[in-house]
Amino acid sequence: AQSVTQPDIHITVSEGASLELRCNYSYGATPYLFWYVQSPGQGLQLLLKYFSGDTLVQGIKGFEAEFKRSQSSFNLRKPSVHWSDAAEYFCAVGARGGYNKLIFGAGTRLAVHP
Amino acid sequence: SQTIHQWPATLVQPVGSPLSLECTVEGTSNPNLYWYRQAAGRGLQLLFYSVGIGQISSEVPQNLSASRPQDRQFILSSKKLLLSDSGFYLCAWTFRDTQYFGPGTRLTVL
Repeated sequence: AQSVTQPDIHITVSEGASLELRCNYSYGATPYLFWYVQSPGQGLQLLLKYFSGDTLVQGIKGFEAEFKRSQSSFNLRKPSVHWSDAAEYFCAVGARGGYNKLIFGAGTRLAVHP
Repeated sequence: SQTIHQWPATLVQPVGSPLSLECTVEGTSNPNLYWYRQAAGRGLQLLFYSVGIGQISSEVPQNLSASRPQDRQFILSSKKLLLSDSGFYLCAWTFRDTQYFGPGTRLTVL
């Protein structure tokens, strides 16, 4: 079955600390992988995506993610968190073409302590 | 550049009333369009998608329907709202295999 698991529902970090949000997927085809961020009351904003090539991808706002095929993972990282990073983060997996249906994880809510 | 609009931004409706939410995309043609719902404390649920005018696919049987009367317009409707229809409704479109989301509509059914 196709699925995305974000094991951490809530994470709290101190401002300036490093961050890693976990994402594991189960997908039959070659996956396209995405991370989105959602601030309260807002739509989802694309942080970064992986289609092919270099397994370490850079995104906006200083985020990066690493695709590890052997572990079926696509973890999101940031070396130094800012208070404005407090939001909910969603990992998603899809395939190329067709109607591009995405499968989303349940999300990880990030709180940042000053 | 491409942009996506949704309106209204917020809506409070009584149970049993009709619903119409609108989504429009600018700067592209023949996009794939999607309606998602995000209930409180839950993830995103894909409701409908459309690959062209008049072509609607439903992912989950429910009290809602969708229509695509024009290439860049996607409408979510209901004849009679239920309490369980409350949530945050997001429209999305696809560009180069990536989905981009609108700002959303917060629907509260009382």
